[in-house]
Amino acid sequence: SQQGEEDPQALSIQEGENATMNCSYKTSINNLQWYRQNSGRGLVHLILIRSNEREKHSGRLRVTLDTSKKSSSLLITASRAADTASYFCATDSGAGKSTFGDGTTLTVKP
Amino acid sequence: DGGITQSPKYLFRKEGQNVTLSCEQNLNHDAMYWYRQDPGQGLRLIYYSQIVNDFQKGDIAEGYSVSREKKESFPLTVTSAQKNPTAFYLCASSTTGVLSDTQYFGPGTRLTVL
Repeated sequence: SQQGEEDPQALSIQEGENATMNCSYKTSINNLQWYRQNSGRGLVHLILIRSNEREKHSGRLRVTLDTSKKSSSLLITASRAADTASYFCATDSGAGKSTFGDGTTLTVKP
Repeated sequence: DGGITQSPKYLFRKEGQNVTLSCEQNLNHDAMYWYRQDPGQGLRLIYYSQIVNDFQKGDIAEGYSVSREKKESFPLTVTSAQKNPTAFYLCASSTTGVLSDTQYFGPGTRLTVL
């Protein structure tokens, strides 16, 4: 079973709006990472947040982590058409492995 | 340029044939990974290797085999025993096999069984 599950499955917004996607997981983690995948390409790492951190920023990205609720959110502010992609969360699942969810597909309309 | 490369980009196979997907990295990373991605879904781990000459099964290893004879290379063979091999295959590497490491991904190989 998947450790991380993203929500919503798909999100469509206008350029300039903010996009929020969520990730829930089942067991305790040491860290959680967010990745982006453009269609037909490999994944690109966006940000890592550790279990003792609550919030982290990187440019227009803001990630929060609530370990009590076993959830994380990724906020993209002032979205651009180039942000159109699928976004995945990944949690460590032991023995050097990461477990990925099914992703949120974001479409930003110009 | 440093990075991780996969070849070929597209691969077609007849049923019953084995095929080998290439993955090479020049990042001096100890750990390497193979994932399978089906349409609209996330990544599922096939095999991973934390050090040369050692590798571990992931969640869906049946019908696949790997080798790790060199630090830079981690080829994946899709055997005829894999019943539904058509998928997008992604290779990744990380500095070590430590859980907190960022993984760097190659561009992927799309395998189609005819």
